[in-house]
Amino acid sequence: NAGVMQNPRHLVRRRGQEARLRCSPMKGHSHVYWYRQLPEEGLKFMVYLQKENIIDESGMPKERFSAEFPKEGPSILRIQQVVRGDSAAYFCASSPPRLSSGNTIYFGEGSWLTVV
Amino acid sequence: AQSVTQLDSQVPVFEEAPVELRCNYSSSVSVYLFWYVQYPNQGLQLLLKYLSGSTLVKGINGFEAEFNKSQTSFHLRKPSVHISDTAEYFCAVSDLDGNQFYFGTGTSLTVIP
Repeated sequence: NAGVMQNPRHLVRRRGQEARLRCSPMKGHSHVYWYRQLPEEGLKFMVYLQKENIIDESGMPKERFSAEFPKEGPSILRIQQVVRGDSAAYFCASSPPRLSSGNTIYFGEGSWLTVV
Repeated sequence: AQSVTQLDSQVPVFEEAPVELRCNYSSSVSVYLFWYVQYPNQGLQLLLKYLSGSTLVKGINGFEAEFNKSQTSFHLRKPSVHISDTAEYFCAVSDLDGNQFYFGTGTSLTVIP
C-alpha cells in the first residue's frame, strides 16, 4: 500500500514563474491537506480538500495560491508568479473520509520549492 | 477552534539521558492528541496518538506521552535518548469531528554524544 506520494521532491523556479506541486493520497483516502513549512518555523496549515471540493482554505494566501483535488488525478497546489518568500517545504497529507474514528493523517515526503 | 503550544523550540540533551518535550493545547471541546517526528529532509511520521482510555500512551522508538486533561497537556517523554532521536517533533490536536489538524511550531531535539 503506497504512502502519500508527492512530486517533484525538489523544484527550482525563477521569480515570476509558476510552481505546481502534486500530491497523490494513500489508497482509500479521499481527503488531502496541504501544509507549508518555512525555515525555522513550524507547520502552517494551508488548505483542506476532498475530491472536487475545498473544505477549508483559511490558511491559503489570498493571492497567487490555489489548490484543487479533481475527481481523477492528484491534488495540485499551484503558486503563480512565485517570489523568494515562497521558498519553503510544502507537505501534503491524506486521511480517510472521517477522522472522528481516531484516524490520523499521513504525510508525504514533501516538495522543496526554491525560488531564485 | 483548537491551538497547540510547544514552549521549547530547541532541546539539547546528552545521549542516554531522559528527555521531556512539552505540549499544551487549548480547546473548548474534547480532542484527539498526536505527536509526529520529522527527520531531516523528510515528511512527518506518527509517533503516537491519544484517543481515549488510558492517559499514558506508548509509541514507537521507546517514546511515550501522558494526557493530562486538567493541565491540558500532552508531554512526550523518553527515558534514554539515542543519537538517532535527533529530529523535529510536532504536537498536534484535532477535534472529534476530525475536520482539522492543528500543529504546534515544533521542538528541535538534538542528542549530544
